Amino acid sequence: QSVLTQPPSVSGAPGQRVTISCTGSSSNIGAGYDVHWYQQLPGTAPKFIISGNSNRPSGVPDRFSGSKSGTSASLAITGLQAEDEADYYCQSYDSSLSGSRVFGGGTKLTVL
Amino acid sequence: EVQLVESGGGLVKPGGSLRLSCAASGFTFSSYSMNWVRQGPGKGLEWVSSISSSSSYIYYAGSVKGRFTISRDNAKNSLYLQMNSLRAEDTAVYYCATFSGEDPSNWYFDLWGRGTLVTVSS
Repeated sequence: QSVLTQPPSVSGAPGQRVTISCTGSSSNIGAGYDVHWYQQLPGTAPKFIISGNSNRPSGVPDRFSGSKSGTSASLAITGLQAEDEADYYCQSYDSSLSGSRVFGGGTKLTVL
Repeated sequence: EVQLVESGGGLVKPGGSLRLSCAASGFTFSSYSMNWVRQGPGKGLEWVSSISSSSSYIYYAGSVKGRFTISRDNAKNSLYLQMNSLRAEDTAVYYCATFSGEDPSNWYFDLWGRGTLVTVSS
């Protein structure tokens, strides 16, 4: 069981907007630590798409956005495209074990 | 080209040992803290271990502490993971990844390698 909780799957039609939630606790997200998001396309290594809760690196479309509030964070994808079909993971730091980085269990996004 | 290339994976029996390597190129390896992250078959990502740029700070996940040892050789631009007392549940693709960011507690996994598969089975 993952320290951060994500829905196992979400889906949406092309052009629609979907959100993926990431729920933590007072020792990670709720303690003020940043949330980062990674995209893993089938058969490839993960790639970071959002850092520091809401910062997009160059090359990541502005259709992707992140937010954080309290003990939760969200990744929103607008204008869904077929190429967005992938697994998405949230990640943060947990103060309960020194140096510990924690991930969500991952969410499979299906573009219908 | 900026890249990380893992090697050393393979099939090993329970209780056995394996040493993974990660070769870095295209960036100043000695300036970056590094990590190992693994992904079991059909499972999510799991952070395994981190090492600071000068090897002064080392951290492990509870699931591997006492069995795995992370190290690096900045002269060779290489990261290593010595894995002992391997168990079936250690079966996974092992990725090396750089840390980036300003505040160490908020560092994120920036550059990733393609991974190397470790299978623990009799």
